[in-house]
Amino acid sequence: QKEVEQDPGPLSVPEGAIVSLNCTYSNSAFQYFMWYRQYSRKGPELLMYTYSSGNKEDGRFTAQVDKSSKYISLFIRDSQPSDSATYLCAMSANQFYFGTGTSLTVIP
Amino acid sequence: GAVVSQHPSWVICKSGTSVKIECRSLDFQATTMFWYRQFPKQSLMLMATSNEGSKATYEQGVEKDKFLINHASLTLSTLTVTSAHPEDSSFYICSCQQGAVSNQPQHFGDGTRLSIL
Repeated sequence: QKEVEQDPGPLSVPEGAIVSLNCTYSNSAFQYFMWYRQYSRKGPELLMYTYSSGNKEDGRFTAQVDKSSKYISLFIRDSQPSDSATYLCAMSANQFYFGTGTSLTVIP
Repeated sequence: GAVVSQHPSWVICKSGTSVKIECRSLDFQATTMFWYRQFPKQSLMLMATSNEGSKATYEQGVEKDKFLINHASLTLSTLTVTSAHPEDSSFYICSCQQGAVSNQPQHFGDGTRLSIL
């Protein structure tokens, strides 16, 4: 079983839709959770960084962590074509583990 | 804040050439730097982890004599691909982390596209 599981998509949504991206994990020792956005031919960009369970909001983005279910989510409200990218989840205990990424396309 | 600069962004060279890629943290001190390789439509593959002033720790299957890593200061790490061959063509990305523990996020450079002819 992989440490981190992420549906690769691809996911296509119309502009303005709410997007839900998810990852599950198996290691209960993970305490720090991150979401990165990666545009084509660019490095990943840190979007959200959270510690332990709960929600964190930043503009149109909300990160949610449910440690009891070993499940994390990233919600994007009012999605824009510029949100089209690959989204990577990441988590850490004494080392980092990355998901495989979900490819998102927001259609104008 | 947390800006990481990676240079060059794209390099094309002949087989047998050695190529050096630089990774700099511009506005913070990076105790730990990571080097990744990424194939098209695939996730990040960790190659090695380096701490300032120490030898890099390479992942299983990564040839340390092929991929030389130097982390000489808290703001600079270099990856040298020695005697590069076409199979080394890939997208190489560095990341930097403040502190030596995993409670700090990694900040990534914009990657280097390496094409070996």
